[in-house]
Amino acid sequence: NAGVTQTPKFQVLKTGQSMTLQCAQDMNHNSMYWYRQDPGMGLRLIYYSASEGTTDKGEVPNGYNVSRLNKREFSLRLESAAPSQTSVYFCASSEVVVSYNEQFFGPGTRLTVL
Amino acid sequence: KQEVTQIPAALSVPEGENLVLNCSFTDSAIYNLQWFRQDPGKGLTSLLLIQSSQREQTSGRLNASLDKSSGRSTLYIAASQPGDSATYLCAAPKAAGNKLTFGGGTRVLVKP
Repeated sequence: NAGVTQTPKFQVLKTGQSMTLQCAQDMNHNSMYWYRQDPGMGLRLIYYSASEGTTDKGEVPNGYNVSRLNKREFSLRLESAAPSQTSVYFCASSEVVVSYNEQFFGPGTRLTVL
Repeated sequence: KQEVTQIPAALSVPEGENLVLNCSFTDSAIYNLQWFRQDPGKGLTSLLLIQSSQREQTSGRLNASLDKSSGRSTLYIAASQPGDSATYLCAAPKAAGNKLTFGGGTRVLVKP
């Protein structure tokens, strides 16, 4: 039981390049999330998917797209990377039931855009 | 809009002392409140989750309380150890499956 996994762990891009961050969970959770963490800004939600087939914008969605490929996988795509997207990206998942909604996080992807 | 604040931003204590970490939130209509630990360069580890109907939750040396009326949660760590050195974050969603709003975290150093 690996929990939430993310690939890659590290990535360096040049401005204008594109890439996709991958996330998978093996806990049969319905909801998945993408956050970014920046010094002085804390953790901010980029996009989330409440259930398979749905996605919604979070606090900072500009410059990103997401795909909920199936129940297990939720990917984040940067179409044209900018230096402002240098950050640590975390994927999380949670089981949506009436009384319990603990979120579990992956190890993160450290992205640098030059 | 929910705002979550953690003060102080950093805390240093000698080993063995009890730790008290504060979390304040502006909107009391929270569904639950979750405490996380983050080690340098690592992801977030969930420590405790308190449901909105609960007053406190305990796990080992950790105890978290929740007072919705005053907009506060407190994480107590008994008999601190150097291994407790990390950043502690609190976060709250407004509904099941909803997005978390995070505090800025408290960076803790436990000195041997």
